[in-house]
Amino acid sequence: DIQMTQSPSTLSASVGDRVTITCRASQSLGGWLAWYQQKPGKAPKLLMYKVSTLLGGVPSRFSGSGSGTEFTLTISSLQPDDFATYYCQHYNSYPVTFGPGTKVEIK
Amino acid sequence: QVQLQESGPGLVKPSETLSLTCAVSGYSISSGYYWGWVRQPPGQGLDWIVSFYHSGSTFYNPSLKSRVTVLVDTSKNQFSLNLTSVTAADTAIYYCVRLLTVTLIRGPFDYWGQGTLVTVSS
Repeated sequence: DIQMTQSPSTLSASVGDRVTITCRASQSLGGWLAWYQQKPGKAPKLLMYKVSTLLGGVPSRFSGSGSGTEFTLTISSLQPDDFATYYCQHYNSYPVTFGPGTKVEIK
Repeated sequence: QVQLQESGPGLVKPSETLSLTCAVSGYSISSGYYWGWVRQPPGQGLDWIVSFYHSGSTFYNPSLKSRVTVLVDTSKNQFSLNLTSVTAADTAIYYCVRLLTVTLIRGPFDYWGQGTLVTVSS
């Protein structure tokens, strides 16, 4: 199974900050990586897939990059609505697995 | 608009079977896409359980495969999850999901139910 890690586990930031979350895989993913946002009491929301393809309606301040085993989610200017937990997920092979999550908190 | 809605008991006794149903509206299960289940223990991360196609192709999380059964009822446009021999470790919010694209057999999940909390306790 491919293991996923994320760093940091918690991130404290202010509105307007540039935020970067890193996701690492135990083996190369061939670009098959997605990012989700989850708010308390809600189901996860898919933000992007194939490393950097944003779903419709996702603000352009979100971007993804990376290749091989290391990937990043960047929020260019943090907005109040962005305080949430973010998960990466690989879908290179079964079983698909998620990272442990990064909580973005208000500083 | 595709919508998924989970239903089932919120409390299951240890060693018994957890049974949940996902009712789908806005899209016919038999028209395509892989569907599935993902769970999230309270305060923890996401665990994929199973993904399946209506015609029978099914992929299981190896850690749960021996205990998981998926049933599809295309006439009611719903599918079910049965998880046998549950323990406290199976306490989680269970989500039914749909894969993003019709062309992939695995992938990210773009549609999620609201989730249903199942507690395993005597």
